[in-house]
Amino acid sequence: EAGVAQSPRYKIIEKRQSVAFWCNPISGHATLYWYQQILGQGPKLLIQFQNNGVVDDSQLPKDRFSAERLKGVDSTLKIQPAKLEDSAVYLCASSFSQGENGYTFGSGTRLTVV
Amino acid sequence: QKEVEQDPGPLSVPEGAIVSLNCTYSNSAFQYFMWYRQYSRKGPELLMYTYSSGNKEDGRFTAQVDKSSKYISLFIRDSQPSDSATYLCATGGGSARQLTFGSGTQLTVLP
Repeated sequence: EAGVAQSPRYKIIEKRQSVAFWCNPISGHATLYWYQQILGQGPKLLIQFQNNGVVDDSQLPKDRFSAERLKGVDSTLKIQPAKLEDSAVYLCASSFSQGENGYTFGSGTRLTVV
Repeated sequence: QKEVEQDPGPLSVPEGAIVSLNCTYSNSAFQYFMWYRQYSRKGPELLMYTYSSGNKEDGRFTAQVDKSSKYISLFIRDSQPSDSATYLCATGGGSARQLTFGSGTQLTVLP
């Protein structure tokens, strides 16, 4: 079974620039999550999709962050404009149902904003 | 108060030691409990999960949940240098639609 694919692995941008991350979940997994992990902290949920609908985006900073999951498969997370405090690892995860058996995470995209 | 609190570490032990990692949670409605292991520059990987109070064993790893005190533990027996990683507890269920993670404990097992 192929894992959760994320790209790019690393990205360095200047503040106020925009950036996009891509995620391809495990085939058949209906639920997709984007988490932000700041160095030394646990993952924090940004947004959760069920198929192509948003289940929870209450912690997504909507003035600068956006995400979509067209056709209920791949997903893109965008930041525009980026701030220094957005420097973090952005993790994508997927699960078969509501995640009661756990999530499968990708390797993440490490973003550095300078 | 954070929903999930985890001993921050870092924790350094000699090879062969028994390691105890702990978390507490605040929401009594949480129903499932997990431990993830995260190697440097990798995503978290699921190590163990359980749905109820009690112990669950898998090889050298034992997960323990005490729902009455809202306490989660992970024990590692005969620790190995390859166990060196950050360990994240996570919990969810009830009205929560996703997992909430602790802040992680960084473990180093010295050869």
